[in-house]
Amino acid sequence: DIQMTQSPSTLSASVGDRVTITCRASQRVGNWLAWYQQKPGKAPNLLIYKASSLQSGVPSRFSGSESGTEFTLTISSLQPDDFATYYCQQYNSYPYTFGQGTKLEIK
Amino acid sequence: EVQLVESGGGLVQPGGSLRLSCAASGFIFSNYDMHWVRQATGKGLEWVSTIGNGGDPYYPESVKGRFTISRENAKNSLYLHMDSLRAGDTAVYYCARGSDFDWSMDVWGKGTTVTVSS
Repeated sequence: DIQMTQSPSTLSASVGDRVTITCRASQRVGNWLAWYQQKPGKAPNLLIYKASSLQSGVPSRFSGSESGTEFTLTISSLQPDDFATYYCQQYNSYPYTFGQGTKLEIK
Repeated sequence: EVQLVESGGGLVQPGGSLRLSCAASGFIFSNYDMHWVRQATGKGLEWVSTIGNGGDPYYPESVKGRFTISRENAKNSLYLHMDSLRAGDTAVYYCARGSDFDWSMDVWGKGTTVTVSS
């Protein structure tokens, strides 16, 4: 199975900060990588697909990039609504696997 | 409005069975791959199953042989039949739609809770 390792597990930041979350795959997944945002008690919400494509309706402050087996989610200027948990997911091959999550907290 | 609504969760004893349903609306259900993803309380997301728009099912080893995914396109419905349930299967179960562009999950239901306990 492909292991997805996110870092950091927890991130404290302030409104207006630029933040980056990293996801590393244990083997190549091409660009078949998605990022989801989840708020407490809610279902996940797709932010980024195919490593860097912005899902319709998602603010442009969210962006994704890839370099080999390392993927990053960047929020250019944190807004109050962005404090949540973020997950990466590979869908290059079965079994699909998620990272363990990064909780973005208010500093 | 595109919508997924799960139902069928509840309390079941270890070794028991349960069938989850997911009612889809607002899109042409038969055109899309569909997924089940679960989340134990305080834990991360875990992929449970996928069924292609052609009906091919996929499972991780953790549920293979115990869970069966199916779909009924005429009823715009997705199902997950779960047998030999274990305490470790306790979670919120979400159904999700495969996106228009690839195999990411672009629409999610609110989830249904399955509790396996004696």
